[in-house]
Amino acid sequence: EAGVAQSPRYKIIEKRQSVAFWCNPISGHATLYWYQQILGQGPKLLIQFQNNGVVDDSQLPKDRFSAERLKGVDSTLKIQPAKLEDSAVYLCASSRQGYEQYFGPGTRLTVT
Amino acid sequence: GIQVEQSPPDLILQEGANSTLRCNFSDSVNNLQWFHQNPWGQLINLFYIPSGTKQNGRLSATTVATERYSLLYISSSQTTDSGVYFCAVILSTSGTYKYIFGTGTRLKVLA
Repeated sequence: EAGVAQSPRYKIIEKRQSVAFWCNPISGHATLYWYQQILGQGPKLLIQFQNNGVVDDSQLPKDRFSAERLKGVDSTLKIQPAKLEDSAVYLCASSRQGYEQYFGPGTRLTVT
Repeated sequence: GIQVEQSPPDLILQEGANSTLRCNFSDSVNNLQWFHQNPWGQLINLFYIPSGTKQNGRLSATTVATERYSLLYISSSQTTDSGVYFCAVILSTSGTYKYIFGTGTRLKVLA
């Protein structure tokens, strides 16, 4: 069974630029999560999808972050415009509803 | 909301030593998961354990749901065990499931 795929693995941008991350979950997993992990901290949930509907985006900074999950499979997370404090690792995870989560390798974003 | 606290926050061991990591949670949960985040940042599933005890090689986990804690045991530690260990509790709310991560235990195993 293939794992959760993410791309790119690394990205360096200047502040005020835009960036997009892509995630392909494990086949059959209806629930998809995007997390932000700042160095030295635990993962912080940004948004949770159930199929292609949003079930929790309470911690998503909606003035600059957006996410979509078309057709209930792949997902993209976008930041526009980026700020210095957005430098972090962005993790995608998937699960069957209520079951164990599986994480992708993450995208390390550096904003200069 | 529910609080998930892990102890100790930091741990340094000599290779070959044993250790116990603890995860306390403040309310009833549906399930619990343990992860190891390796030095490259990858979060690796260790255990999915709502209650009871599970073992996988040198690692084992015990969850006592009625007393709201879980323990992760590492025996005969190796340098590759270094990294951060997270527990995450799983809550069912309004038909959806939420995962709440603990504060993490940073482990360093010395050769």
